[in-house]
Formats: sequence, C-alpha cells, structure tokens
Amino acid sequence: GAVVSQHPSWVICKSGTSVKIECRSLDFQATTMFWYRQFPKQSLMLMATSNEGSKATYEQGVEKDKFLINHASLTLSTLTVTSAHPEDSSFYICSATSSRGVYEQYFGPGTRLTVT
Amino acid sequence: SQQGEEDPQALSIQEGENATMNCSYKTSINNLQWYRQNSGRGLVHLILIRSNEREKHSGRLRVTLDTSKKSSSLLITASRAADTASYFCATIYGGATNKLIFGTGTLLAVQP
Repeated sequence: GAVVSQHPSWVICKSGTSVKIECRSLDFQATTMFWYRQFPKQSLMLMATSNEGSKATYEQGVEKDKFLINHASLTLSTLTVTSAHPEDSSFYICSATSSRGVYEQYFGPGTRLTVT
Repeated sequence: SQQGEEDPQALSIQEGENATMNCSYKTSINNLQWYRQNSGRGLVHLILIRSNEREKHSGRLRVTLDTSKKSSSLLITASRAADTASYFCATIYGGATNKLIFGTGTLLAVQP
C-alpha cells in the first residue's frame, strides 16, 4: 500500500514553455502533498506544501507564480513550471501523507525535467 | 537554513562490512527519519525514531538518536552491493506541520 505515482517520469521542453507534472496517491487519500526539487548530487529541498482544496504554502525563495501547484482532489496534485528556463532543469519529487500516518511521507518516483 | 548535515558525504566499503552514517540537525524534533534513494529514483522510507527513543532496529539497520547532541546515526550491518544508494536523514520542521527537512545525504557505494 501507500503508492505514489508521478507523470511524466521525464520531460524535455524548450525554454519559455510550461510543463505540468502530476502526482497521484494510488491507494490512499492524501490529505497533504509536498513538492521537492533536487539538483544533481544534492539533497531534496522542499518547495511547497499543498492541502486538498486550499492554496499551497510555498517555502521562502520559491516563486509561487512560476511554480503553480494545484491540489484539486485527495489523490491528485499538479505542479506546473511556467515559462521554464534551463536553470529550472532538475529532479522534481512529490510526496504524500495520509491522515493516519502524518509522520510518514510516501514519495513518488520523481520527474526529471530538462529545459533546453 | 534548517537543513541538517550528514557525514561522511561519501562512503565506499566492501560487501560484508558495516556502514555508519551520521546526521546532525538544528532544531528540536518530534522524530527523525532515514530515507534511501537509489540513483535518479524516489525515496524509500527506512526507519523512524521518536525523540524519546535512543535506539531502534529494523533488519540490518540500526538507528541511534542523541537529542542532547542533536545527532543520529544509521548503521547498516553486513552490507550488500544492493545497499548502494544515497541515504538521507530528515526531521519534521514546524510543530503543527509535517514538513520534512532533509540532511545533505551520504552516498554509499558497496563494492562487490
């Protein structure tokens, strides 16, 4: 149980375009979802926290107009990177928690974004 | 930054040897967690140790926690080539939330 999927697993886009990444909890209802960014050989940095039906809370330094997060249902959150630039190239990982296990986060497999 | 630090940054050992990774954190915690990440993949939760616990075991994993020193260690015994991965400690940040703050990570390479 507690499976989280991400789609796509990798994407290449041109500079200036927008890219949407989906995060789904497959077998549980995710009351909270988190989005992380990971640059090569570095740790995960939390970008934002989203609760179903409410606006996402962004970490300091993360542009909310550039990284649009929508958490429309208890099983789906989306991250849209708008007007992507090469410096946005990174590994984006989502995670989810359920109401039963608030201390355990279940991670998706990640999405590799390359902006050319 | 609230990010914790881990050492060593990289560790290379032979199969069968034990691997020890250390994590230091900055804030008071409810619990500390260890995660594993294979190259280019998502994270797998390994073990959670609560602030009132000092040691916890799970299979070949042994975690210790010293809240007075704000540090934790992860020991992997009898390592296998399949244990090759990055290992991260993570702490909950913010009393009312469950936001995880990850350490810098240790890259473990187990040579067959």
